[in-house]
Amino acid sequence: DVKVTQSSRYLVKRTGEKVFLECVQDMDHENMFWYRQDPGLGLRLIYFSYDVKMKEKGDIPEGYSVSREKKERFSLILESASTNQTSMYLCASRGIAKNIQYFGAGTRLSVL
Amino acid sequence: SQQGEEDPQALSIQEGENATMNCSYKTSINNLQWYRQNSGRGLVHLILIRSNEREKHSGRLRVTLDTSKKSSSLLITASRAADTASYFCATDASSNYQLIWGAGTKLIIKP
Repeated sequence: DVKVTQSSRYLVKRTGEKVFLECVQDMDHENMFWYRQDPGLGLRLIYFSYDVKMKEKGDIPEGYSVSREKKERFSLILESASTNQTSMYLCASRGIAKNIQYFGAGTRLSVL
Repeated sequence: SQQGEEDPQALSIQEGENATMNCSYKTSINNLQWYRQNSGRGLVHLILIRSNEREKHSGRLRVTLDTSKKSSSLLITASRAADTASYFCATDASSNYQLIWGAGTKLIIKP
């Protein structure tokens, strides 16, 4: 079974802090994704990566950056956390063969 | 950019009844997928239906796709308390790896 692991289930940070959300997958998938999920808005894509060191902006990249130095790991960085970044963050990975995404359990981030 | 829209937004039924959720989308697609999300957790893939398929079954799940109406439905038969979750449709419309997600239907199964 594909396993996607997000480093934290819950995080509480202060406004202005730099925040790192880590995601690791164990299936050698090429593609990885970061979404945020807010009530009534569904999943919104922040960034995705189709290979090591390759990234593309999604629909809402402002205030975020990403890093993919190794194939299995995709990090989301909030350069200076703000209260409007309080949300559920979901990481997903996908292999080449099928466009099925496998999700981590999510990180619920609160920025105070 | 959100393409899918689920209907209804919320659905509450008795255990044992059937649950039907609908999804509409706006552009041509390669396939459409349904995912389930238990409260506070990640999403789990349920079923994928390709654009040239009209119906697909998996256990108690039945998915239909009408490309002329740009819509899909997910039927869960003989619902159980464990089916309580949010259900999302996602469309694959391009070759750039992305899925386009709907806002989800929250399903509550009452015992």
